Amino acid sequence: DAKTTQPTSMDCAEGRAANLPCNHSTISGNEYVYWYRQIHSQGPQYIIHGLKNNETNEMASLIITEDRKSSTLILPHATLRDTAVYYCIVSAIQGAQKLVFGQGTRLTINP
Amino acid sequence: ETGVTQSPTHLIKTRGQQVTLRCSSQSGHNTVSWYQQALGQGPQFIFQYYREEENGRGNFPPRFSGLQFPNYSSELNVNALELDDSALYLCASSLVTSQETQYFGPGARLLVL
Repeated sequence: DAKTTQPTSMDCAEGRAANLPCNHSTISGNEYVYWYRQIHSQGPQYIIHGLKNNETNEMASLIITEDRKSSTLILPHATLRDTAVYYCIVSAIQGAQKLVFGQGTRLTINP
Repeated sequence: ETGVTQSPTHLIKTRGQQVTLRCSSQSGHNTVSWYQQALGQGPQFIFQYYREEENGRGNFPPRFSGLQFPNYSSELNVNALELDDSALYLCASSLVTSQETQYFGPGARLLVL
């Protein structure tokens, strides 16, 4: 599985958009980009995933560059409850889907 | 709420003992994966079960074993517990189809003394 690189930590003001970058320069053609988040001591929560097109759901938007080597997760109006560790993961669609978690980005939303 | 439940949620064991952790998958999901998360680290894949068979394994020794039952629930067994086994153990359920995401339970926190 391809590796990802994320900033260790980020801060964002409540009500603003939080933009979390992820670099996955060795991603393969059959690998999706997934985003999960983990609020303190809870199980990871699925946010969104995509292959090459931009995606949006009720939680967030995912922007994937044309060369697929990087992506950005956007939380449009961050709230205090969005404070969590955010994990960017690339995972192949064939075979046992093993999620390889890195260190993630610790996002802190400030009032 | 993902519909994935785990039991027990907290437990304390001593070195050398054995532990069994249980997971009930989300309704309709036939695949269960287990992860270990040490303090301050991201979750690490232990193994996955599909149709009661192991369907992929991470870099964990054989003393980590599992079972999946006909109702798709699963158990993680760890023998000869070591201090480094202290961690949050997470199970996740999914359907084995392309693009299908994994939905995690709340985790079971194991402390080995």
